[in-house]
Amino acid sequence: KNQVEQSPQSLIILEGKNCTLQCNYTVSPFSNLRWYKQDTGRGPVSLTIMTFSENTKSNGRYTATLDADTKQSSLHITASQLSDSASYICVVSGPTGANNLFFGTGTRLTVIP
Amino acid sequence: GAGVSQTPSNKVTEKGKYVELRCDPISGHTALYWYRQSLGQGPEFLIYFQGTGAADDSGLPNDRFFAVRPEGSVSTLKIQRTERGDSAVYLCASSSNPYGDTQYFGPGTRLTVL
Repeated sequence: KNQVEQSPQSLIILEGKNCTLQCNYTVSPFSNLRWYKQDTGRGPVSLTIMTFSENTKSNGRYTATLDADTKQSSLHITASQLSDSASYICVVSGPTGANNLFFGTGTRLTVIP
Repeated sequence: GAGVSQTPSNKVTEKGKYVELRCDPISGHTALYWYRQSLGQGPEFLIYFQGTGAADDSGLPNDRFFAVRPEGSVSTLKIQRTERGDSAVYLCASSSNPYGDTQYFGPGTRLTVL
């Protein structure tokens, strides 16, 4: 069983709308949780990074939350744009850091005009 | 400065052939990672280098896969006797250190084994 589960698998929203992507993990202990954006045909790009003591982190229209007690994270996208269409991958680092990463399978977001 | 680059961007080969995939990390980054990503899936860890040495190669699926980083910078992923199941995007990432630092990914090499 994957230690990082994401939902929904895919999502289609209208331009300008908000959306929230979910990430549940079982990795324990963990050192940090990252959200990456991966455009089609490109490598993932880091959006946010949170340690276990952080509850929220923003990067422009992207806001990530973390509940280390329930092992849940969310990525909220505000006022979506067509360029937000991409896969969003939740990545949890195990105790040894960046060489011990657990990747979710991603949520495929499509923003339509 | 330049990001992580990978060559070739696409590689088509026949079953049984040998391929080499190259990764140029961000200058000064000591940690380098190789991942494999199948369609609709997240990246799957293959191998991690700290400097010139493979610190963790536990993700390599079998002995047909091998990677080197002889001078602690450029890395080459080598796949012998390719199989159709090897078809995937091979991603390389680098970070300035392996302890909690962000990994910067290259654009990947799309390998297709016919």
